Amino acid sequence: NAGVTQTPKFQVLKTGQSMTLQCAQDMNHNSMYWYRQDPGMGLRLIYYSASEGTTDKGEVPNGYNVSRLNKREFSLRLESAAPSQTSVYFCASSEALPGSGANVLTFGAGSRLTVL
Amino acid sequence: EDKVVQSPLSLVVHEGDTVTLNCSYEVTNFRSLLWYKQEKKAPTFLFMLTSSGIEKKSGRLSSILDKKELFSILNITATQTGDSAIYLCASHKKLVFGKGTKLTVNP
Repeated sequence: NAGVTQTPKFQVLKTGQSMTLQCAQDMNHNSMYWYRQDPGMGLRLIYYSASEGTTDKGEVPNGYNVSRLNKREFSLRLESAAPSQTSVYFCASSEALPGSGANVLTFGAGSRLTVL
Repeated sequence: EDKVVQSPLSLVVHEGDTVTLNCSYEVTNFRSLLWYKQEKKAPTFLFMLTSSGIEKKSGRLSSILDKKELFSILNITATQTGDSAIYLCASHKKLVFGKGTKLTVNP
């Protein structure tokens, strides 16, 4: 019953450092997403992956890269972290993309990232 | 550009009050609208609305969609302190979220 698992839960970086947020789901979902949440801003889509082997930019992709390693895993990489990337990051998955039947998002618990 | 706007952004009520949260949207190729509740961690799913005028209910929570006027409302009756949370709505087309309504229910 793990659902969507994100690691790490907390991370502090210095400006310019790189890091990767890991996400894995065990629900056999096709689509996966990375969001960031800042106070008063709701959830903003960074990247999504409709299926294994495909990725697309969302609303705020600059400064990030993603890899859909296999059907289960979708990682988010910050190559050179900046203070503006201080945020809470949520990974999510759904069976299909919007417009199809079963497309309710299931979220991970979040990763709180601070860039000094 | 797809847009989802929620109002109010913040709301403080007393236990037992009834609240109405609003979500308006402008999206191309609209398919459905979703409501989520976020307490301390990850958002959890409440409702998915695809058809105009059909109310979805779950206990004290209910929601309805108006596709002509492009909005949805989420009603919570007889509020409890456990309803305190951020309520998010999202439209289907790359799942664009609104900024959320922070509801605080005081005893």
